[in-house]
Amino acid sequence: AQSVTQPDIHITVSEGASLELRCNYSYGATPYLFWYVQSPGQGLQLLLKYFSGDTLVQGIKGFEAEFKRSQSSFNLRKPSVHWSDAAEYFCAVGHLQGAQKLVFGQGTRLTINP
Amino acid sequence: DAGVIQSPRHEVTEMGQEVTLRCKPISGHDYLFWYRQTMMRGLELLIYFNNNVPIDDSGMPEDRFSAKMPNASFSTLKIQPSEPRDSAVYFCASSSLGLAETGSDTQYFGPGTRLTVL
Repeated sequence: AQSVTQPDIHITVSEGASLELRCNYSYGATPYLFWYVQSPGQGLQLLLKYFSGDTLVQGIKGFEAEFKRSQSSFNLRKPSVHWSDAAEYFCAVGHLQGAQKLVFGQGTRLTINP
Repeated sequence: DAGVIQSPRHEVTEMGQEVTLRCKPISGHDYLFWYRQTMMRGLELLIYFNNNVPIDDSGMPEDRFSAKMPNASFSTLKIQPSEPRDSAVYFCASSSLGLAETGSDTQYFGPGTRLTVL
C-alpha cells in the first residue's frame, strides 16, 4: 500500500533563510509525487509535481523539489523564505497515470520568524 | 473559472442532525473527490466519482455517510445522523482525465467546509 511520511510536524525558520521540507514515500511502482500548500482557512494549492524525467522539478512561488528514487524521497526546497510562505505543506503520492487516488502525508506546519 | 465551489463554508449542528455538504466541480472535470481533514488522521479520501459514477467509496467511514453526484456540476456529501467525531474540514476536489504530462489530471481543491457537531 502507498504511504507518505513527513517526519517534521512543525518547522520554524527565519525570513530569508533557506528551507527544506522532508517527504518519504512507499510505493511499489514509479510514483507520481506532489507537494501542496494550505494557507489557514484555505483549500490546498498545488506547488509542484513529479511524474517522470528530470528529477529536479520547479514549482510556483520559487519552490523546487528533488525526486531521489534510491532514498524514496521527494524533499521540497526554497532558497529564501518569505513571511507569506507560512502555511501547512503536504506531500502526496498517486498513481502514475491519472492521480485518481492521492495518499497524503500528515503535513508540515511552517512558521516564519521575522 | 471560479474553481471548485463548496457550501456552506462553516456548519455547526447538534448531534443527531442531518448534515449536507455541497460541491460544484470545475466545469469540464470528470473526476470528483471528497476528502476529510482532521488533526488525528490528516487528509483522507472518502470517495471519488468518475463521470458522476462512484468509483471507490472504501474511505467512507460508516453507513451514516453517503455521497451522490446527480449531474456533472453538483455533488453532495450527507451525514445522517451526525456525531461529534464527524467534526472536521471536508474538502471537495475535481480533476479531468488526462496524461500527467499535460497537467490536466491535477486535482484542484475547494476551500472546504468546516463542520462542527456539538
